[in-house]
Amino acid sequence: EIVLTQSPGTLSLSPGERATLSCRASQSVSSNYLAWYQQKPGQAPRLLIYGASSRATDIPDGFSGSGSGTDFTLTISRLEPEDFAVYYCQQYGSSPLTFGGGTKVEIK
Amino acid sequence: QVQLVQSGAEVKKPGASVKVSCKASGYTFANYGISWVRQAPGQGLEWMGWISVQNGDTNYAQKVQGRVTMTTDTSTSTVYMELRSLRSDDTAVYYCARTYTSGLTHYWGQGTLVTVSS
Repeated sequence: EIVLTQSPGTLSLSPGERATLSCRASQSVSSNYLAWYQQKPGQAPRLLIYGASSRATDIPDGFSGSGSGTDFTLTISRLEPEDFAVYYCQQYGSSPLTFGGGTKVEIK
Repeated sequence: QVQLVQSGAEVKKPGASVKVSCKASGYTFANYGISWVRQAPGQGLEWMGWISVQNGDTNYAQKVQGRVTMTTDTSTSTVYMELRSLRSDDTAVYYCARTYTSGLTHYWGQGTLVTVSS
């Protein structure tokens, strides 16, 4: 099973700042099948990025993903008020599919 | 538009079973699988398994293997997830999600809270 470790656990930033979230895999993610999701309280997760770097439909270009193999990054270029949420990475390249523990992006 | 609508909240006693439904609309049902993911209160996301709507093939997480069954009803575009021998640590919000053959999940249901309590 691939273990995904997200860091930091919590990121305290101000609106307009840049956010950089990390996701490290215990072994190489097959085909870079790494996705990022955003989840707000009481809501289902929302797909942001798939294939490590492709933005999902209707996702603003302020969200970008990068990385390959075992190290992946989600970058939010300028935080908008609606971007404060919890972010999860997930690998879907091998079974069982696994999620990271999440990074909470909170308002400083 | 793609919609996945799940059944309502359930309260069950330890040892009982629960069956959650997920009704799909807005796309060709047979072209995608459905995954189930759960989230315990205040915790992260946990993948439970996947079912191919096309042929009924399933792949379950080891943690719930033997207690979970995922089925489809193509006549109503509905997928079901049954979890048996419920324990208190099965208390969670259960989500269904439309899944590509690659395993990528995109559209998600609204979630169903299952509470296991004596």
